[in-house]
Amino acid sequence: NAGVTQTPKFRVLKTGQSMTLLCAQDMNHEYMYWYRQDPGMGLRLIHYSVGEGTTAKGEVPDGYNVSRLKKQNFLLGLESAAPSQTSVYFCASRETSGWYNEQFFGPGTRLTVL
Amino acid sequence: GQQVMQIPQYQHVQEGEDFTTYCNSSTTLSNIQWYKQRPGGHPVFLIQLVKSGEVKKQKRLTFQFGEAKKNSSLHITATQTTDVGTYFCANSNSGYALNFGKGTSLLVTP
Repeated sequence: NAGVTQTPKFRVLKTGQSMTLLCAQDMNHEYMYWYRQDPGMGLRLIHYSVGEGTTAKGEVPDGYNVSRLKKQNFLLGLESAAPSQTSVYFCASRETSGWYNEQFFGPGTRLTVL
Repeated sequence: GQQVMQIPQYQHVQEGEDFTTYCNSSTTLSNIQWYKQRPGGHPVFLIQLVKSGEVKKQKRLTFQFGEAKKNSSLHITATQTTDVGTYFCANSNSGYALNFGKGTSLLVTP
């Protein structure tokens, strides 16, 4: 099993450009998450999904959109990138049973917006 | 979301010294998770605590959940260079998403 994978690993954008980050998991997890990580800020939740076709806003959703058309994939879109969106983006997934909340993280995407 | 505060923000120790990081909340937590992130890597789950006063050990790592369920700690005995990284606590009162602390970065020099 590959676990959680993210594409691309690195990207440089110019202000105003758009892009989509792809997250895929092969563990049949219902819940998926997108986080951003900035120095000294920890991990902040952007959006999450509790199942195929559903999405919800997290702590910092502005400037991002998401889609969960297939259970195994969770896409994060930036319609008009801004320098403030320079960050490392992590996708995660987890099972839904009980209180066992272990989240499995992907390797991350390092995005720079010039 | 419910905020968890971590202290210290950074810790630099000599190999063999002990290390402790603390996670505090102003309100009662239903559970606490700990993650480790190596430099350049991604967070990896270490453990979850759910019971008041719970103590769990993983080799040289000891995790505690306070009696009032408002604080937690991670203690590493006799640190090694492989312990380098950032340690995050997180809680999930909603059942859906985790709220992460800002982490404690540990540097171990040989």
